Amino acid sequence: EAQVTQNPRYLITVTGKKLTVTCSQNMNHEYMSWYRQDPGLGLRQIYYSMNVEVTDKGDVPEGYKVSRKEKRNFPLILESPSPNQTSLYFCASSFPPPLHYGYTFGSGTRLTVV
Amino acid sequence: ILNVEQSPQSLHVQEGDSTNFTCSFPSSNFYALHWYRWETAKSPEALFVMTLNGDEKKKGRISATLNTKEGYSYLYIKGSQPEDSATYLCADGGATNKLIFGTGTLLAVQP
Repeated sequence: EAQVTQNPRYLITVTGKKLTVTCSQNMNHEYMSWYRQDPGLGLRQIYYSMNVEVTDKGDVPEGYKVSRKEKRNFPLILESPSPNQTSLYFCASSFPPPLHYGYTFGSGTRLTVV
Repeated sequence: ILNVEQSPQSLHVQEGDSTNFTCSFPSSNFYALHWYRWETAKSPEALFVMTLNGDEKKKGRISATLNTKEGYSYLYIKGSQPEDSATYLCADGGATNKLIFGTGTLLAVQP
């Protein structure tokens, strides 16, 4: 089944403790992206990647890192999480050019930083 | 940052009613307009990707139209069913490699 797999689904952590949210897709998509969803705001892009070893900042990249060492994986790293990073996170992938194709989203990761 | 607006914020209809909602986006630098359906506790699923002015797309009871000159798209649901209850998101892709999402229209269909 074609899908984007995110892990974990839920995570509660403490301020400053490094964490990684994994994202993997099995559709051979070149384009991958991370979004966060907060109440009253639309999905906001954190980082995106057009292909292996090519990453770029989205609209809200502060406090996050990403890497794209393989086509299928695009992990989101929070080096020192803070409470304002409590949010619902989605990974998404697409064929390029990304705007011509609908995105496939992962199931989401609900992160709470205390 | 481009501003994508959706209205209404929420909508309650009875089963069998037809309904529609609006997505407004800046008409300059238009490239593509996406619609997604997002059910509670699930992930958003792509409904339509529209790129041409006057485009009209249909999937079952759901259809969408696009007017790029005036910067709006309508989503229509004919004969709403309880399983149509979801948040409907639109997203505008300008000249950049990213979509700008609206905050969505929450549709609740009462049986």
